[in-house]
Amino acid sequence: GNSVTQMEGPVTLSEEAFLTINCTYTATGYPSLFWYVQYPGEGLQLLLKATKADDKGSNKGFEATYRKETTSFHLEKGSVQVSDSAVYFCALKGMDSSYKLIFGSGTRLLVRP
Amino acid sequence: DTAVSQTPKYLVTQMGNDKSIKCEQNLGHDTMYWYKQDSKKFLKIMFSYNNKELIINETVPNRFSPKSPDKAHLNLHINSLELGDSAVYFCASSQVRSSETQYFGPGTRLLVL
Repeated sequence: GNSVTQMEGPVTLSEEAFLTINCTYTATGYPSLFWYVQYPGEGLQLLLKATKADDKGSNKGFEATYRKETTSFHLEKGSVQVSDSAVYFCALKGMDSSYKLIFGSGTRLLVRP
Repeated sequence: DTAVSQTPKYLVTQMGNDKSIKCEQNLGHDTMYWYKQDSKKFLKIMFSYNNKELIINETVPNRFSPKSPDKAHLNLHINSLELGDSAVYFCASSQVRSSETQYFGPGTRLLVL
C-alpha cells in the first residue's frame, strides 16, 4: 500500500540556518505530494504541493521537488526563522479511487534565536 | 469567517461516557474528513463523507459513528470512551473528493480519564 516516511525529529536549528527535512514515499503510479505544517495548538495548513514528477512546489521560502527516480519530496528552506518552529508533515494522495491523504509521522522543527 | 470550525476545542471526560464532536465548514466544499492524531503526532484518517455519503471508513472501532446531516457538517459520536481514545481529532474538508488540498479545523483535544 501507499506510505510516507519522514526523518525523525526533533530538528533543532539556529535562526538563518539551512533546513532539510527528508521525505520518501512508496506508491504505485504518480501520486500527488504535499507538505503540511502544524503550528503549536493549531490545525494543519497546506504549505506546498507537487502533482507530477520534477514539479517544484514552493511557498514562504520553502521548496520541495518531486523526484520520481528517488521517490522523494524533501523539504528545504535556505534561512529559517523562529516563526518556522512547527511540525511538518509530508503526505501523498494516491491514484486510487479513495483519494485518501496518507501522512508521514511528522517532523518537529525548533528554531532558536 | 472561520473556514473549518470544530466544537468543543477541549473535551475531558471519564471512561465509559459517550461524547460528540461537531464540525462545520463554510467553504461550500463537498467532502469532509475526520482524522485522529495520537500523542506522537501521527495522523490517520478515520472517515470521509462526500455529499453526505460515507466514502472512506478506515479500520475504526464501531464505537465511533460519523454523521453528516448536510454537506457543511460532519459530526463524530463516540460511545463507551476508552483511555486509548485520548487524542486530537481533526476535521477537514476539500472542494471535491479528488481535490488536491484539504483544509483543516483547529482540532478537538480529547482526554479520557
